Amino acid sequence: SQELEQSPQSLIVQEGKNLTINCTSSKTLYGLYWYKQKYGEGLIFLMMLQKGGEEKSHEKITAKLDEKKQQSSLHITASQPSHAGIYLCGAGNFGNEKLTFGTGTRLTIIP
Amino acid sequence: SQTIHQWPATLVQPVGSPLSLECTVEGTSNPNLYWYRQAAGRGLQLLFYSVGIGQISSEVPQNLSASRPQDRQFILSSKKLLLSDSGFYLCAWKTGVMSYGYTFGSGTRLTVV
Repeated sequence: SQELEQSPQSLIVQEGKNLTINCTSSKTLYGLYWYKQKYGEGLIFLMMLQKGGEEKSHEKITAKLDEKKQQSSLHITASQPSHAGIYLCGAGNFGNEKLTFGTGTRLTIIP
Repeated sequence: SQTIHQWPATLVQPVGSPLSLECTVEGTSNPNLYWYRQAAGRGLQLLFYSVGIGQISSEVPQNLSASRPQDRQFILSSKKLLLSDSGFYLCAWKTGVMSYGYTFGSGTRLTVV
């Protein structure tokens, strides 16, 4: 089965600073999803990457998928308190019938 | 518009009692449906998924079962709850378009006491 490892597990960043979260897969990624979760709430879809070398941006968040399609990174520029939460990467299987998740990264933004 | 409803939001149940959590989707037909569990301090674990009425795939052997009696209804059940069943349960559905991702409900926090 596919395993996703996220690093770091937790991150404390001063407001305004940049940060990066990594997601590494044990197998080739057919679809890599990034989600954000506020504590005790559902997941909010951020973006999805499928092609090797692909990069997508939304507001101040940029996600990349490496050429070998086994690692993805999520980069936040000029962090804000609204960025705080748990970030989860998820991998779709070949037929995209199911999505398995990494262990998550808890992001705290301090003033 | 497409929406997903999950209830209840919070549930406290004694050990050995039954469980029924319901999830319904509106605004779409024949969706793939999913149940996930998030234990304290841990990631999301896929429990069950369904690609159609009466079709259930189990990912993890456990004390839970799932059913899909109608196209847009997905139910998570247990006959006798264990302490280890405590957690945050999330229902999700997926469109046919891969890039749109999976849409999640607001979750049910289950505490077994």
